[in-house]
Amino acid sequence: DGGITQSPKYLFRKEGQNVTLSCEQNLNHDAMYWYRQDPGQGLRLIYYSQIVNDFQKGDIAEGYSVSREKKESFPLTVTSAQKNPTAFYLCASSIVASRLADNEQFFGPGTRLTVL
Amino acid sequence: DAKTTQPPSMDCAEGRAANLPCNHSTISGNEYVYWYRQIHSQGPQYIIHGLKNNETNEMASLIITEDRKSSTLILPHATLRDTAVYYCIVRSFTGGGNKLTFGTGTQLKVEL
Repeated sequence: DGGITQSPKYLFRKEGQNVTLSCEQNLNHDAMYWYRQDPGQGLRLIYYSQIVNDFQKGDIAEGYSVSREKKESFPLTVTSAQKNPTAFYLCASSIVASRLADNEQFFGPGTRLTVL
Repeated sequence: DAKTTQPPSMDCAEGRAANLPCNHSTISGNEYVYWYRQIHSQGPQYIIHGLKNNETNEMASLIITEDRKSSTLILPHATLRDTAVYYCIVRSFTGGGNKLTFGTGTQLKVEL
């Protein structure tokens, strides 16, 4: 089945440790995104990538890093510099098309990160 | 992207139509209205989008006012599985990327 996978579903880390969240898609999409969601809030964009080996900061990139070495993978590292890392992290992908109508984003199931 | 305003919560009886409003009074001519929903602790799911004409698909209908300053998402026969947070998003197509700006949405609760 085509789709986006994120692993693990739940992740616990000690304060001060870096942690990397996985996101893989087999939809052949060029663009991938990372969002963060806090309780009762909407999603906020962390980073996005429209093509392999290129990515841009979103609205809340501080304390995070990404890489895009392969089209199907867009891992997110939550570094010790992120002051409030506990959150629900969502990965998404879309095609990069000339028509806006084709730019629907498909979301993964999310990873809930808890920093103790 | 234009800011949207939605009621924080709504209730709907199962089998009835759920009408979810969204105000986007600062929308500009090239901005589309998108709707997503998020069932608890899952990733958001695309529902529908439109520019100025009303749209319908297998999930819902989207009614956009003539001045485009507001829209309504209609779930014609709501079921318990439609209980979710519904996000109205207004965005334009720019070369800078395909970014969605989510607000806090409307929590729709469908009850028996």
